[in-house]
Amino acid sequence: GENVEQHPSTLSVQEGDSAVIKCTYSDSASNYFPWYKQELGKGPQLIIDIRSNVGEKKDQRIAVTLNKTAKHFSLHITETQPEDSAVYFCAASMSTGGFKTIFGAGTRLFVKA
Amino acid sequence: DTGVSQDPRHKITKRGQNVTFRCDPISEHNRLYWYRQTLGQGPEFLTYFQNEAQLEKSRLLSDRFSAERPKGSFSTLEIQRTEQGDSAMYLCASSFAGTRGEQFFGPGTRLTVL
Repeated sequence: GENVEQHPSTLSVQEGDSAVIKCTYSDSASNYFPWYKQELGKGPQLIIDIRSNVGEKKDQRIAVTLNKTAKHFSLHITETQPEDSAVYFCAASMSTGGFKTIFGAGTRLFVKA
Repeated sequence: DTGVSQDPRHKITKRGQNVTFRCDPISEHNRLYWYRQTLGQGPEFLTYFQNEAQLEKSRLLSDRFSAERPKGSFSTLEIQRTEQGDSAMYLCASSFAGTRGEQFFGPGTRLTVL
């Protein structure tokens, strides 16, 4: 089955710097890659996603890239702010599997003011 | 609030007791998913429904676990004869069926088995 690996597990950046989180997946049939932000005591919140027919997607300070050949995808946050501090999860799923989602282990991001 | 809701938010029970959790999805969503999340880990898929039909169950879902979605709206997840290893956050998510894939999560039910 699908396996998603995520690095780093912890990331500390200065406010205003960029943060990058990287993930790899194992099942080449996966075609939908969402990213979630989870704050303490809350459920995961979808922040951006990318589909396999697209190499890059951007939404304000957040961008995702996907390399299907290498089975890599990444989240880039620019101009980080203290409110970006949270746990971020990458995930992979496939439309033929009902979008059953396999998550990475998470990256705890600290943005220091 | 038109998001996904879960009840209760917290449940403490003794080993061997049965517990039941409820999830109310976003009203127009016809897919509903259950995940389990332990401390420091990502959510793990348990099962999902399209309307009333349970279409897939993970091997994580032992025979002590049962999920239902009788009218294609809310869903319940029951755990029988709870064990300490069942302690986790149980998350529910909903989405449209089709090609979109976006899942929206509820706040979760935190289960503690003593």
